[in-house]
Amino acid sequence: DAMVIQNPRYQVTQFGKPVTLSCSQTLNHNVMYWYQQKSSQAPKLLFHYYDKDFNNEADTPDNFQSRRPNTSFCFLDIRSPGLGDAAMYLCATSRDRGRLTPQHFGDGTRLSIL
Amino acid sequence: GEDVEQSLFLSVREGDSSVINCTYTDSSSTYLYWYKQEPGAGLQLLTYIFSNMDMKQDQRLTVLLNKKDKHLSLRIADTQTGDSAIYFCAALPGGGATNKLIFGTGTLLAVQP
Repeated sequence: DAMVIQNPRYQVTQFGKPVTLSCSQTLNHNVMYWYQQKSSQAPKLLFHYYDKDFNNEADTPDNFQSRRPNTSFCFLDIRSPGLGDAAMYLCATSRDRGRLTPQHFGDGTRLSIL
Repeated sequence: GEDVEQSLFLSVREGDSSVINCTYTDSSSTYLYWYKQEPGAGLQLLTYIFSNMDMKQDQRLTVLLNKKDKHLSLRIADTQTGDSAIYFCAALPGGGATNKLIFGTGTLLAVQP
């Protein structure tokens, strides 16, 4: 059974039109992460939540926001998508931070910008 | 900061062993991971190793760690066509104090029938 679920698998939006990607988890993990992965590149961490504590990476554009209303759900909001934001967006969870807490990934949402 | 490097491509025949190599720069990276990504899918955690270990075996997978050279390898025995995917090496620097995984660029493994 899928433990980190991302919806939708494919999302198409228009240039400048806000879009929200969804992630849910059944693992009851404390930490949830959002990564951006462009074609033929490694995943790049955008931000993470440790419980309700939001941690942004220094180079994440302001256009990207996140919400975590409860333990199970986390959302990625892109306020005004540009063509350069077309990518696969991966959600991951871990029981805790660092140490022996591997990150478990969902199948991703592929975002296209028209 | 940490830098993780991998070769881009490896081609093997079905039934042979595959060895995917990875190097990292930060000696404080005490946790090292291998992930598999099939086309259009997310990352699947395959295995991981701690810096106090030299080797870890899990069924067809063997991870070797050379701390002195900061070199990590993943050996897949009896490689199958279903093993065709991109394999990412990832390091967790800072002794595990942070949870920011640093990924390599990925190695595309192509298994020829």
